[in-house]
Amino acid sequence: RKEVEQDPGPFNVPEGATVAFNCTYSNSASQSFFWYRQDCRKEPKLLMSVYSSGNEDGRFTAQLNRASQYISLLIRDSKLSDSATYLCVVNSNTGNQFYFGTGTSLTVIP
Amino acid sequence: NAGVTQTPKFRVLKTGQSMTLLCAQDMNHEYMYWYRQDPGMGLRLIHYSVGEGTTAKGEVPDGYNVSRLKKQNFLLGLESAAPSQTSVYFCASSSRGADLYGYTFGSGTRLTVV
Repeated sequence: RKEVEQDPGPFNVPEGATVAFNCTYSNSASQSFFWYRQDCRKEPKLLMSVYSSGNEDGRFTAQLNRASQYISLLIRDSKLSDSATYLCVVNSNTGNQFYFGTGTSLTVIP
Repeated sequence: NAGVTQTPKFRVLKTGQSMTLLCAQDMNHEYMYWYRQDPGMGLRLIHYSVGEGTTAKGEVPDGYNVSRLKKQNFLLGLESAAPSQTSVYFCASSSRGADLYGYTFGSGTRLTVV
């Protein structure tokens, strides 16, 4: 079983739409969770951390469900510039390693 | 304010050739990592280091060696390249607070082995 699993998509949404991605993780001892954004042929960049109580950063909301072992990312009022691949990241039980999902592709259409 | 710098950015190798990828960070980070990214596989950890002079194996270490002689540099070596090592290689670094702040990645090295 993979440590982190994501729906690869692609998600094609119109500008202004709300879109949500989910990600499941297998290690119940994981303590740190992140969403990264990766543009085509670029390096991943940290989008936001995911806190137990859920957190918001502008149009982006991240939530954690420990009981079901999944995290989610909600993007409101989608912009063309949101088009990218979104990577779910979870740390190992030792804390030294992070496991990356394969990413969910989002295209925002004019 | 360079962050994490990887060299080279592109390389084509013939099967059996060797090469070294260099990763340099100027953020005084303790931890450094080498990942490879392949279509449909996500980022997979090759080797990592938790401090100068230390290295450890990740998820896919076979065919690679690493060294961390200086805190700011982390080298990834391919002794005898194989076509299966065609990939995009990313270096990353983090402070001890990786659990809070995540990683900073370099811009990647695109390696093709023919």
